[in-house]
Amino acid sequence: AQSVTQPDIHITVSEGASLELRCNYSYGATPYLFWYVQSPGQGLQLLLKYFSGDTLVQGIKGFEAEFKRSQSSFNLRKPSVHWSDAAEYFCAADRGSTLGRLYFGRGTQLTVWP
Amino acid sequence: NAGVTQTPKFQVLKTGQSMTLQCAQDMNHEYMSWYRQDPGMGLRLIHYSVGAGITDQGEVPNGYNVSRSTTEDFPLRLLSAAPSQTSVYFCASSYATQGYEQYFGPGTRLTVT
Repeated sequence: AQSVTQPDIHITVSEGASLELRCNYSYGATPYLFWYVQSPGQGLQLLLKYFSGDTLVQGIKGFEAEFKRSQSSFNLRKPSVHWSDAAEYFCAADRGSTLGRLYFGRGTQLTVWP
Repeated sequence: NAGVTQTPKFQVLKTGQSMTLQCAQDMNHEYMSWYRQDPGMGLRLIHYSVGAGITDQGEVPNGYNVSRSTTEDFPLRLLSAAPSQTSVYFCASSYATQGYEQYFGPGTRLTVT
């Protein structure tokens, strides 16, 4: 069973619009959570990570994510999307008890309309 | 630092052939992992290592072997390639401390005909 779920396979937004990408996890304890971005033909780049503490984390390229324990969610947000944000986004979890082993969601493909 | 390097970038194999995908890192990371990426499936863990001489299986280990004789290198061997192993393969490394992010290599695109 998929331990990390990204419900949206594909999202389309207009440039300048706000963005929220959803991620849910199904572990009993709070895992370490990550968001990665992958541009076409490229490797993965880390956007941000959550280990503990403040539930709102800031990342690179103007992205932020909020951890909500009650909803087992770690959604990624950006107030104003740029055309260069078009890419595939992956949520991932390290369960802590399995150090160095990331479990990925299936990804959300983001299209940005000019 | 070169980070995580992978060779080759592209490879075409015939069914039944064997080959080794190379991965090296120069950051003195203890943990190294291999993932495969298939459309609509995200990345899935094949094998991982927590240090030289120590390896373990991930989610999809069948058809692959690994060994780790040095901290720097973590090769992935396909013993008898099958079309189902057509994929993009990523190597990653990280520190041993809990939650440290993994650094990914650029990937190897493998096609098995």
